[in-house]
Amino acid sequence: AQSVTQLGSHVSVSEGALVLLRCNYSSSVPPYLFWYVQYPNQGLQLLLKYTTGATLVKGINGFEAEFKKSETSFHLTKPSAHMSDAAEYFCALYNFNKFYFGSGTKLNVKP
Amino acid sequence: DVKVTQSSRYLVKRTGEKVFLECVQDMDHENMFWYRQDPGLGLRLIYFSYDVKMKEKGDIPEGYSVSREKKERFSLILESASTNQTSMYLCASSFRLDTQYFGPGTRLTVL
Repeated sequence: AQSVTQLGSHVSVSEGALVLLRCNYSSSVPPYLFWYVQYPNQGLQLLLKYTTGATLVKGINGFEAEFKKSETSFHLTKPSAHMSDAAEYFCALYNFNKFYFGSGTKLNVKP
Repeated sequence: DVKVTQSSRYLVKRTGEKVFLECVQDMDHENMFWYRQDPGLGLRLIYFSYDVKMKEKGDIPEGYSVSREKKERFSLILESASTNQTSMYLCASSFRLDTQYFGPGTRLTVL
């Protein structure tokens, strides 16, 4: 079965601190993996995606994620949080012509 | 840039009303999707379409129908709205099946 689990529905960091949002997946075949961001009252915006090749993927706004097959993980990181990063983040998996979304992690950035 | 627009940002309807949610994309994408988003549940696929006049059920199609008469337009129909259909509805489109572009969402309240 395919599934995505995001650990922590809410994460709070201080401005300038490291951001780490966790995503684990279950997939019967090598998946495509995505991170999306959703600002309040807006749709989802693609941050980055992993398909094949290099396992460290860089996205927009300074975010990156690393595909670790052995750990079935695709955690999202950013070295230094900005206030503008406060949003909800969704990890997603694609295979067999379907998307599977995690339940989301709300990131709060404290001044 | 891909642009996906949805006809309304906020909508309030009464129980039993027929509701139409419209989605338009301007990038000639073959594939279009309707999701609903509820707190703690992430995104759940209602219906998708691979081409004009084609539709496939997603994970939660009950109580919904769709129409795709033109390539750029994908409509979600609630035949008889119920209070449990109060939700955020997100439309997405894609050229390749592995990357979706989302509209801003319609927040529907059914009273």
